[in-house]
Amino acid sequence: DAGVTQSPTHLIKTRGQHVTLRCSPISGHKSVSWYQQVLGQGPQFIFQYYEKEERGRGNFPDRFSARQFPNYSSELNVNALLLGDSALYLCASSSILTGDSKTHNEQFFGPGTRLTVL
Amino acid sequence: AQKVTQAQTEISVVEKEDVTLDCVYETRDTTYYLFWYKQPPSGELVFLIRRNSFDEQNEISGRYSWNFQKSTSSFNFTITASQVVDSAVYFCALSELTQGGSEKLVFGKGTKLTVNP
Repeated sequence: DAGVTQSPTHLIKTRGQHVTLRCSPISGHKSVSWYQQVLGQGPQFIFQYYEKEERGRGNFPDRFSARQFPNYSSELNVNALLLGDSALYLCASSSILTGDSKTHNEQFFGPGTRLTVL
Repeated sequence: AQKVTQAQTEISVVEKEDVTLDCVYETRDTTYYLFWYKQPPSGELVFLIRRNSFDEQNEISGRYSWNFQKSTSSFNFTITASQVVDSAVYFCALSELTQGGSEKLVFGKGTKLTVNP
């Protein structure tokens, strides 16, 4: 089975532009999360969508937005790009919303999109 | 707020040495989950383990082992007989429930492990 896929792999933009990143979850997974990983840091949570609804939002400005489609794929949009938005953007999918002591909520990560803002 | 600290920024060992990666976490939740992920140079995060706060038994998987100690809020990761292929950045993470009821991961800054031949 295919894993989480993301497109594009790499992207170069200039300040002020907008960008759309795409993610396709593992087949059957209904939850998609987005993370931003700046060089030398751990990933930081941006959004989580489950069944097409936003269920979690991290501490990011309104320039960041996302949506999930009926086929559970997702887009992350970033407007008015800043140099500081340069990062690896990771998408993760999971089959459920939250786990418990018996149910694993393993998040499977895609290869990421490396965004460079000049 | 949840916090994960990986004090070791970089570790370098020679092949076949054992190496332990430290992870200390902070949380006010009584139920929580801890994770370790591996990130090779390709960038993709590879899931290694998930443990819940009620299960303090140590776990071993091949050359990998994890030591969870609730009393010291630590979840350390040991690689026995390290190999060059173990070279990667390793992240410890803690789950946190969002207001929307979802489960997000709070990551540490990672430890870069280099295994030299």
